[in-house]
Amino acid sequence: GAVVSQHPSRVICKSGTSVKIECRSLDFQATTMFWYRQFPKQSLMLMATSNEGSKATYEQGVEKDKFLINHASLTLSTLTVTSAHPEDSSFYICSARALPGSRHTEAFFGQGTRLTVV
Amino acid sequence: DAKTTQPTSMDCAEGRAANLPCNHSTISGNEYVYWYRQIHSQGPQYIIHGLKNNETNEMASLIITEDRKSSTLILPHATLRDTAVYYCIVRGGSQGNLIFGKGTKLSVKP
Repeated sequence: GAVVSQHPSRVICKSGTSVKIECRSLDFQATTMFWYRQFPKQSLMLMATSNEGSKATYEQGVEKDKFLINHASLTLSTLTVTSAHPEDSSFYICSARALPGSRHTEAFFGQGTRLTVV
Repeated sequence: DAKTTQPTSMDCAEGRAANLPCNHSTISGNEYVYWYRQIHSQGPQYIIHGLKNNETNEMASLIITEDRKSSTLILPHATLRDTAVYYCIVRGGSQGNLIFGKGTKLSVKP
């Protein structure tokens, strides 16, 4: 399958600081990337959908000014958690889907980023 | 909300086939059934997907009933490394995103 690389895999930051998470599709181009969040013992919850060259679409209850998403190219999307608080500690996962007409129709996921805010 | 129903957990003996059921009685005619699995503290891994025909790849087989209201994922020879949470997903969402339910926690035991 195709490869999606997410970096960093683990980060600890102080409360009030910002953290940037990168998501790259390594061997395919993705017009759409998705950002999920997963709390312990729970399933993945979609936070936002990121389209290359346009503004992200956020799910209800997700603050767009807190979770900044930039999808500047067909292979890179970033999620910045601004002014992080301990309740933002979670497992963040990105997903990417190839361009329409590509060999792959399924979505592929990054390895996830474990964020701990202290 | 997820459009699928799966058992919360299942056990399987190592080397035996693991059959994971999924109900998706409200599936639409053009919606695919996708299966992913998530090993602890990792991102979900794609397994297989299908529309109406049975599918097989190097990881698993997918059996979809004729009325498409349910499906079964089959791992033919389960190993300890297949222990994971398995998600059955009907691809939906207004932007084609994957909506995750609670999945089935499969425990493969020696």
